[in-house]
Amino acid sequence: GEDVEQSLFLSVREGDSSVINCTYTDSSSTYLYWYKQEPGAGLQLLTYIFSNMDMKQDQRLTVLLNKKDKHLSLRIADTQTGDSAIYFCAESIAGGYNKLIFGAGTRLAVHP
Amino acid sequence: GAGVSQSPSNKVTEKGKDVELRCDPISGHTALYWYRQSLGQGLEFLIYFQGNSAPDKSGLPSDRFSAERTGGSVSTLTIQRTQQEDSAVYLCASSLVSGRNTDTQYFGPGTRLTVL
Repeated sequence: GEDVEQSLFLSVREGDSSVINCTYTDSSSTYLYWYKQEPGAGLQLLTYIFSNMDMKQDQRLTVLLNKKDKHLSLRIADTQTGDSAIYFCAESIAGGYNKLIFGAGTRLAVHP
Repeated sequence: GAGVSQSPSNKVTEKGKDVELRCDPISGHTALYWYRQSLGQGLEFLIYFQGNSAPDKSGLPSDRFSAERTGGSVSTLTIQRTQQEDSAVYLCASSLVSGRNTDTQYFGPGTRLTVL
C-alpha cells in the first residue's frame, strides 16, 4: 500500500540549515512534493521533483531524491523564523489524476 | 484573484448531528479534492471531483460521509450522525485541470470540526 513517513519535529537555530526527511513506499510515484502549512492557513506548494531527477534547487530550497531507497529530503538554507511551519511530503500516485498521499508533516521550529 | 475559500472556519457540533462543510474553489478550476487532517496525522484523501462527477470516492471513511459539487464550482461535504472520531480539519483543494501530475493543488484554509 501507499505510505509516506516523516519525523514529526525539527528544531534549528536561525541561520542554520534545516533538513527535513521523508520516506515513501510506492515505487510508481512520478512526482514528489513538499508543501508548507503555516498556522491557520492552507497548504502552500513549495516545490516538487520528478522521479527521474535526483536533485532540484530553488533559491534557499534544495530537494534530494534517492529513488532506490525511496527517500526524499528538503534542505532549507539560512533558515529564518518565517520558515517555522509544518512541512508535508507527498507522493503522486499514478491513476489518471493527481492523487496525493501525504506524510504526517514535520513541525519546524526556528529559534534565535 | 481569490483563492480557495471554505466555510465555516470552525464548527462545533454535538454527536449525532449532521454537518455541512462548504468549499468554493478557484474560479475555472475543474478538479476539486477533499482531505481530512486529524491531529498528528497527515492529510487523508477523501474524494476527488472532476467537474460535477466524482471518479474517486475511495477515501470516504463511511456511508455517513457524502459530497456533491454543483455547476462545476461549489462543493459541499456532508457528514451525517457525526461521531467524535470525525473531529478533524477538513481541507479542500482545487486545480486547473487534472490528469497531469504537475497540476498544482491550491488549498483552502480548512474547516475545523469539533464533535462533542
